[in-house]
Amino acid sequence: AQSVAQPEDQVNVAEGNPLTVKCTYSVSGNPYLFWYVQYPNRGLQFLLKYITGDNLVKGSYGFEAEFNKSQTSFHLKKPSALVSDSALYFCAVRHGRSNDYKLSFGAGTTVTVRA
Amino acid sequence: KAGVTQTPRYLIKTRGQQVTLSCSPISGHRSVSWYQQTPGQGLQFLFEYFSETQRNKGNFPGRFSGRQFSNSRSEMNVSTLELGDSALYLCASSLKESSGNTIYFGEGSWLTVV
Repeated sequence: AQSVAQPEDQVNVAEGNPLTVKCTYSVSGNPYLFWYVQYPNRGLQFLLKYITGDNLVKGSYGFEAEFNKSQTSFHLKKPSALVSDSALYFCAVRHGRSNDYKLSFGAGTTVTVRA
Repeated sequence: KAGVTQTPRYLIKTRGQQVTLSCSPISGHRSVSWYQQTPGQGLQFLFEYFSETQRNKGNFPGRFSGRQFSNSRSEMNVSTLELGDSALYLCASSLKESSGNTIYFGEGSWLTVV
């Protein structure tokens, strides 16, 4: 079975500081990894994904994530956080095998960026 | 290009009733999936449809059902509503059923069961 873990329920950072949201995964075979962000009372917005290739993936709003196969991690990062980055962040994994297309989500990490 | 559109956005139902939620995918997208989001259980997969066929189903009781039409629009239905069905129901679409395709989500339908 595939699963995703987000070990931190909450992350608090000051504006202008680096932001990291952690994610580890467990899936047999090659994983397809995604990050989404959810603002209050809204749906999920796609940030970035890793399918194959370069381990460093760049996405929307200045976010990036690094795929680390040996550590089975896909941490989300932003060099300089903004107050507007305060939201709920979800990591998700999709199996790289056909006929198994559902996304399995982590529990989510609430990010608060203080001014 | 319009995003994933879900209707209604908010609704209140009584226990025992049934509800139908509608989803229009992004134009050209043929795969539609549904997720339930609750504070306690997080995001849980309900089912996925591609070309009017259910491809995957999550671990939900038979009261939860769905369908997809020839224009890729999808509906999900919940019968005999229970208080625990109160949740945000999210519809998502992707170009095709390949695992690497990005899934785009709608704003969701907030269901409250009283």
